[in-house]
Amino acid sequence: DVKVTQSSRYLVKRTGEKVFLECVQDMDHENMFWYRQDPGLGLRLIYFSYDVKMKEKGDIPEGYSVSREKKERFSLILESASTNQTSMYLCASSLTTDRDTQYFGPGTRLTVL
Amino acid sequence: GQSLEQPSEVTAVEGAIVQINCTYQTSGFYGLSWYQQHDGGAPTFLSYNALDGLEETGRFSSFLSRSDSYGYLLLQELQMKDSASYFCAVNTGGFKTIFGAGTRLFVKA
Repeated sequence: DVKVTQSSRYLVKRTGEKVFLECVQDMDHENMFWYRQDPGLGLRLIYFSYDVKMKEKGDIPEGYSVSREKKERFSLILESASTNQTSMYLCASSLTTDRDTQYFGPGTRLTVL
Repeated sequence: GQSLEQPSEVTAVEGAIVQINCTYQTSGFYGLSWYQQHDGGAPTFLSYNALDGLEETGRFSSFLSRSDSYGYLLLQELQMKDSASYFCAVNTGGFKTIFGAGTRLFVKA
């Protein structure tokens, strides 16, 4: 079974802090994704990566950056957290040969005060 | 803009059949996926349709009509454990997938 893990289930940060969310997958997937999930809005793509050191902006990249130094790890960075970034953050991974099947981590509920 | 429309809530009785519809308007289309998410859990993949027609996987089936930009998820022999949110998602090309807002399914005894 594919396993996608995220560093924290719950996180509370203050406005202006730099926040790191970590995601690790154990199935050698090429592609990794960061989404945020908000009530009534579904999942919205922030960034994705199709290879080590490669990244592409999703639909809502503003205020975020990412890092992928190793194939199994994809980090989401909030350079200066703001209250409107309070949300559930979901990481996912997929194989290029089966890119329509994404495997999700349990999510990180981030609250910015 | 790009959008996926699905009902916000559906209620059905245990043992019944329920259909969750999804209509999409996207700049590209490579396939329609469905995901299930229980409260507090991660979304899990259910099905994928790239071509028109019905795909069946156990109690769940998914249908696609590309000419109508429409698909649905059919759940048969509903069980209490099927109470969850269901998301349709469209692969618009490459690695980009757009998700609908989700349909919350309530299964009553």
